[in-house]
Amino acid sequence: DIQMTQSPSSLSASVGDRVTITCQASQDIRNYLNWYQQKPGKAPKLLIYDASNLKTGVPSRFSGSGSGTDFSFTISSLQPEDIATYYCQHYDDLPRGKVTFGPGTKVDMK
Amino acid sequence: QVQLVESGGGLVKPGGSLRLSCAASGFTLSDYYMSWIRQAPGKGLEWVSYISSRTNYPNYADSVKGRFTISRDNAKNSLYLQMDNLRAEDTAVYFCARIGAAVYFDSWGQGTLVTVSS
Repeated sequence: DIQMTQSPSSLSASVGDRVTITCQASQDIRNYLNWYQQKPGKAPKLLIYDASNLKTGVPSRFSGSGSGTDFSFTISSLQPEDIATYYCQHYDDLPRGKVTFGPGTKVDMK
Repeated sequence: QVQLVESGGGLVKPGGSLRLSCAASGFTLSDYYMSWIRQAPGKGLEWVSYISSRTNYPNYADSVKGRFTISRDNAKNSLYLQMDNLRAEDTAVYFCARIGAAVYFDSWGQGTLVTVSS
């Protein structure tokens, strides 16, 4: 099974800071990688799909990149409303493929 | 707009059963794969199961295979998760989610809490 790791597990940053989270897969997953934001007590929200595609309506300060085994997620200028936990998620091809979430990165304000 | 509303959570004893439901609206359920994802208290997200759009082909995480059964009734715009032989480690908020064109979860319900405890 493919394992997903994220780093860091948590970080503190100031408003306006550039924040980068990395996600690493245990084997080549092409670009089958999505990113979600989850605020406390709420359901996750999709931000980025297929490694680098911004979901419609998501602010452009969010971006993703990478392919193969190494991926990154960036907030170009951190805003107070970005305080949340961020998860990467891998998928195998349907209809038999598995889905794996990374362990998450908690972002809070310094 | 797309709306997913879960129900059926609650307190159940180890070894017991529970059936979760997810009512879908704002889109044609039969056009989409659907999924259940859970989150134990204070923990990360764990994919549980998904079901294909028209052939109803199911897929399960190893942690629930043989104990959980996913199903859907497109005519009733509903997704289900039958959970049998529940264990303490199944305690979690269970979300239903729609699967988008690639395998991303583009819409989520608010979740329903399942607590397995004696």
